[in-house]
Amino acid sequence: EIVLTQSPGTLSLSPGERATLSCRASQSVSTKYFSWYQQKPGQPPRLLISGASSRATGIPDRFSGSGSGADFSLTISRLEPEDSAVYFCQQFSNSPRTFGQGTKLEIK
Amino acid sequence: QLHLQESGPGLVKPSETLSLTCNVSGGAISSTNYYWGWIRQPPGKGLEWIGSVYHTGSAFYNPSLRSRVTISVDTSKNQFSLRLSSVTAADTAVYYCARENLQWRNFDYWGQGVVVTVSS
Repeated sequence: EIVLTQSPGTLSLSPGERATLSCRASQSVSTKYFSWYQQKPGQPPRLLISGASSRATGIPDRFSGSGSGADFSLTISRLEPEDSAVYFCQQFSNSPRTFGQGTKLEIK
Repeated sequence: QLHLQESGPGLVKPSETLSLTCNVSGGAISSTNYYWGWIRQPPGKGLEWIGSVYHTGSAFYNPSLRSRVTISVDTSKNQFSLRLSSVTAADTAVYYCARENLQWRNFDYWGQGVVVTVSS
């Protein structure tokens, strides 16, 4: 099983700043099968990024993904209060599909 | 617009079987481009993939749960179901159904989730 480790656990930033979230895999994963999600309290996860860098439908261009091999990043530029959420990474290079433990982003 | 809705008991006794159904509307569950999956989230914790099923009935499970899980599909009703046997308190979670996109192998549409508590 591929373990995804996200850092930091919590990130506290101000509106207008840039957030960089990291996800490191226990082994190399396929870029095509690497995704990011956003989850707000009481809601299901929402798909943000597919294929490590392709934004899902309706996702603003403030959200961008990058990375390859075992290291991936999600960058949110020009933070807005509505970006406050927990962000998860997910892979499917090897079954089972696995998720990271999440990074909580707080907007001050 | 695709819509998924979970249904089932919110309280299950230890050692019994948890049964949930996901009703899909706004799209055909028989589409060749998707699997249909179950994911759960224990209180305050992360996400765990339980398993996914294809419209043909072929199912794929998380090895950690395989001995206790059955996922089935009913294309005539446009729904799929989860059965998890011999539950314990560790199975208490929000259970989500979701569509798994076969191009990207991710989950692009989710239900709102149903809270299932295992308690006597």
